[in-house]
Amino acid sequence: GQQVMQIPQYQHVQEGEDFTTYCNSSTTLSNIQWYKQRPGGHPVFLIQLVKSGEVKKQKRLTFQFGEAKKNSSLHITATQTTDVGTYFCAGPWTGYSTLTFGKGTMLLVSP
Amino acid sequence: DTAVSQTPKYLVTQMGNDKSIKCEQNLGHDTMYWYKQDSKKFLKIMFSYNNKELIINETVPNRFSPKSPDKAHLNLHINSLELGDSAVYFCASSVQSSEAFFGQGTRLTVV
Repeated sequence: GQQVMQIPQYQHVQEGEDFTTYCNSSTTLSNIQWYKQRPGGHPVFLIQLVKSGEVKKQKRLTFQFGEAKKNSSLHITATQTTDVGTYFCAGPWTGYSTLTFGKGTMLLVSP
Repeated sequence: DTAVSQTPKYLVTQMGNDKSIKCEQNLGHDTMYWYKQDSKKFLKIMFSYNNKELIINETVPNRFSPKSPDKAHLNLHINSLELGDSAVYFCASSVQSSEAFFGQGTRLTVV
């Protein structure tokens, strides 16, 4: 079955440092989505990438979709304590209306 | 108005009991999901359902069954609860496999 791998599983940074999480799929994706889950909360949609090589920015967050549409990354510049949480990538199973989530990257930011 | 609501928020029950978790969405979405999030924060797809098909993750025990009385509801019924069923269960909805909206989660504790 389709797998979505995400690394690292966990990262602890000092406030002000940059952070990147990577997502890799075993199959080509029609789109890739990113979600953020704060501690004790539920996953919240951040963005969707559709085009090969697409790059989107949201303030300090930069999202990229690989040329082959099998990998993606989320980069946070100058992390803040409000960035704490688990970041998930998600992609649709080929041919199905189902989202498969990566295992997530837990980000901890120390002040 | 809450877009995706699930009840109860907390559920503590004894081993062997049967319980249900309810989920309703008022977004007019055609696809609903149930995810299980364990202590490691992995989001595991359990079921995906739209008006055309029910997709079951084959690793989910048949003690778990989804019940959809209409397009706005997808309830989760669990028979003969086991200790390992303790987790947070999230309901979500989307249009096909686009942006998913999650409920607040149900924390199930089996004692």
